[in-house]
Amino acid sequence: SQQGEEDPQALSIQEGENATMNCSYKTSINNLQWYRQNSGRGLVHLILIRSNEREKHSGRLRVTLDTSKKSSSLLITASRAADTASYFCATVLRMDSSYKLIFGSGTRLLVRP
Amino acid sequence: DTGVSQNPRHKITKRGQNVTFRCDPISEHNRLYWYRQTLGQGPEFLTYFQNEAQLEKSRLLSDRFSAERPKGSFSTLEIQRTEQGDSAMYLCASSQIGQGKSDEQYFGPGTRLTVT
Repeated sequence: SQQGEEDPQALSIQEGENATMNCSYKTSINNLQWYRQNSGRGLVHLILIRSNEREKHSGRLRVTLDTSKKSSSLLITASRAADTASYFCATVLRMDSSYKLIFGSGTRLLVRP
Repeated sequence: DTGVSQNPRHKITKRGQNVTFRCDPISEHNRLYWYRQTLGQGPEFLTYFQNEAQLEKSRLLSDRFSAERPKGSFSTLEIQRTEQGDSAMYLCASSQIGQGKSDEQYFGPGTRLTVT
């Protein structure tokens, strides 16, 4: 079963607004990563946050991690139509030497021009 | 371009046929992962290699599936006697694990398999 669950499953906003997506997971992690996927294409890595970090920024992206609540959020500020995509969180479990990614089911974001 | 490449990008096959996909990772990466993604879902881990050694296989990888990475470079994923339930996007990713290296995985564009 998937480790992470994203919320909401779908989000529709106007260009220029902020978009917030949440991810919850079940077991202790080494790190949590966010990926973007345009329709029918491969995954693009957005940002990685380690279990000892609480917040990271990358351009218009802000990621937070709350290990006590086993949750993370991805904020995209000043959204653009080009941000329309599916967004997935993925976790790497603590003590898992494989570093395999365990994905949630994703949030489908639509940014209306 | 030094990204991860996958071939073919699309494959349509009839039930019962065998198919083989290829993944060429980023050249200096020592780890290679295969994932499968069905419509509307996130990718699910299938297997991974550290250099040429296959170190872990998911229970999703039935005995009809086999993966190889013979020289620690490119990898192939073969599905024998395909079933309609095998229809999915097959994604390959690579990473460089080691001191001072990021464990970020870089994904290829995927191979979309349709079994009719």
